[in-house]
Amino acid sequence: ETGVTQTPRHLVMGMTNKKSLKCEQHLGHNAMYWYKQSAKKPLELMFVYNFKEQTENNSVPSRFSPECPNSSHLFLHLHTLQPEDSALYLCASSLQTDPTNEKLFFGSGTQLSVL
Amino acid sequence: SQKIEQNSEALNIQEGKTATLTCNYTNYSPAYLQWYRQDPGRGPVFLLLIRENEKEKRKERLKVTFDTTLKQSLFHITASQPADSATYLCALDIKGDYKLSFGAGTTVTVRA
Repeated sequence: ETGVTQTPRHLVMGMTNKKSLKCEQHLGHNAMYWYKQSAKKPLELMFVYNFKEQTENNSVPSRFSPECPNSSHLFLHLHTLQPEDSALYLCASSLQTDPTNEKLFFGSGTQLSVL
Repeated sequence: SQKIEQNSEALNIQEGKTATLTCNYTNYSPAYLQWYRQDPGRGPVFLLLIRENEKEKRKERLKVTFDTTLKQSLFHITASQPADSATYLCALDIKGDYKLSFGAGTTVTVRA
């Protein structure tokens, strides 16, 4: 295990449902990230939080709503999603102390299917 | 526009041979480049980081080179083993702001 735990591992939801993804890191890091990974495509950065403050929103639709109550926990609230939102959602954390030595630690992801 | 390209989607090699993966980028000059390994259904795992002033980095059977003139990194797996079968991703911090951009990855399959 990498020290980053994501739940649930799999999620199937209808377009009218509301669900939340959870991420917890046990590494003492100060930054947390949400990435989206669709089949055959590069990882897409969605949101970045540093010490609970959002430092990046990469033009993500409002049907995705992040929440970061503290440096160890990150949520992604989902509502009225579309089938094209089906993907692997990855959480990551890092220290953000040296921009030339930055390494991300990823969770195992939540495989989301929107019906 | 900024682009990170990895040479091919898939690479099949015989056990014991060397796998060579390519990562090319355009339109920026990153201070460093990273390689990650991703197994099916799992998140990427950090392998190596190479800085712009480093030509080569090694870790066990892995070797990475970084040519800032060619805007290219090569990732080598020597004496490959079936356990090396995975998808390998390169990543760049384009602006030096801790936000990594990733290539689509190359899936390596090592045949016994």
